[in-house]
Amino acid sequence: ETGVTQSPTHLIKTRGQQVTLRCSSQSGHNTVSWYQQALGQGPQFIFQYYREEENGRGNFPPRFSGLQFPNYSSELNVNALELDDSALYLCASSYGQGAGRTEAFFGQGTRLTVV
Amino acid sequence: AQRVTQPEKLLSVFKGAPVELKCNYSYSGSPELFWYVQYSRQRLQLLLRHISRESIKGFTADLNKGETSFHLKKPFAQEEDSAMYYCALSALSGDKLIFGTGTRLQVFP
Repeated sequence: ETGVTQSPTHLIKTRGQQVTLRCSSQSGHNTVSWYQQALGQGPQFIFQYYREEENGRGNFPPRFSGLQFPNYSSELNVNALELDDSALYLCASSYGQGAGRTEAFFGQGTRLTVV
Repeated sequence: AQRVTQPEKLLSVFKGAPVELKCNYSYSGSPELFWYVQYSRQRLQLLLRHISRESIKGFTADLNKGETSFHLKKPFAQEEDSAMYYCALSALSGDKLIFGTGTRLQVFP
């Protein structure tokens, strides 16, 4: 059973650019959630995808968008990068829906630095 | 408002001392409560959840609905317990998690 993997592990972007982060969910998992973790803070929920559809969104602007593919892998896209977007971005996968959903398993994260 | 509060950024103890990491929450309803741990250079991982009522690595946590708390306890800390600990809640298992800001536990030899 493979775990949650994220790519790239680190990247540096310039303010105003766009970035795409990728996540492969754990084998058998059909739900992916994305979190932003700023320095010294706990992870903050961005959005969740279940079976390729957005299934909840946190308090993030529309320039944060995502996709989930038929194999349940996922992308997080951020447009018009701002300096405050610099953070560790975490992906978590789980299986199921509602009360039957399993616990979330986290990837190692992508460290994004915006300069 | 839904919120998780961990009042201590850093907790330092000596090996063998008791440990209590505090967590208070604000939530309308009956959430699920979790403790996640992140060891150095490792990913965030689930330590325990209140519905399991189990002890993991000697840690326990009791949900006190009256005080809206879910403190993490261990009677005798070990050096390998040094890590970042996050308290979190969700409406349902696997649902979005609301995290506290975390407490760094340092256990000195």
